Amino acid sequence: DAGVIQSPRHEVTEMGQEVTLRCKPISGHDYLFWYRQTMMRGLELLIYFNNNVPIDDSGMPEDRFSAKMPNASFSTLKIQPSEPRDSAVYFCASSPGDRAHGYTFGSGTRLTVV
Amino acid sequence: SQQGEEDPQALSIQEGENATMNCSYKTSINNLQWYRQNSGRGLVHLILIRSNEREKHSGRLRVTLDTSKKSSSLLITASRAADTASYFCATDEGGYNKLIFGAGTRLAVHP
Repeated sequence: DAGVIQSPRHEVTEMGQEVTLRCKPISGHDYLFWYRQTMMRGLELLIYFNNNVPIDDSGMPEDRFSAKMPNASFSTLKIQPSEPRDSAVYFCASSPGDRAHGYTFGSGTRLTVV
Repeated sequence: SQQGEEDPQALSIQEGENATMNCSYKTSINNLQWYRQNSGRGLVHLILIRSNEREKHSGRLRVTLDTSKKSSSLLITASRAADTASYFCATDEGGYNKLIFGAGTRLAVHP
């Protein structure tokens, strides 16, 4: 398996623009997670899905953020409109959902909003 | 919100020495996990220890868990320059399969 695949690796956008981050989880993993990492706040859980259904979106900072998982092999995180404070590294991770295994993380998308 | 808190924030050692990192948490857990992050990369799962376990080994890694003190430690023996990375502990909040990460320990191993 190629692991969790995120795209793009880097994104630079202007304030006010829409940004879409993409994630392909590991096949067979029932859980998908979106995290954001910044120096100030560390790793924050934004939202997670189980079998394509959003379970907990309490970490989504504002209505400008939305996430979807239309099928078991694809998820998106959208920011509209983007702001400079959204600059961070966004990670997607997946898990089989049992309590014996950890998460597998993607390489992340480094977002810079100017 | 952060559940696990690592100590120290940064650690600098020479190759061959042992590195010990500690993690404390606040509420009851089902398991505690340790991850490594190399600069500019994603996190890599190292080891998982269940709440009914006290110690676990994986290669040069040794993890202990003390649920009465709500703390865990990660020991890396005979460290190598390639061990240079940030190390994070993560716990579930008592909820199923929802990990909350600590702030991490930055480990530098000098040749």
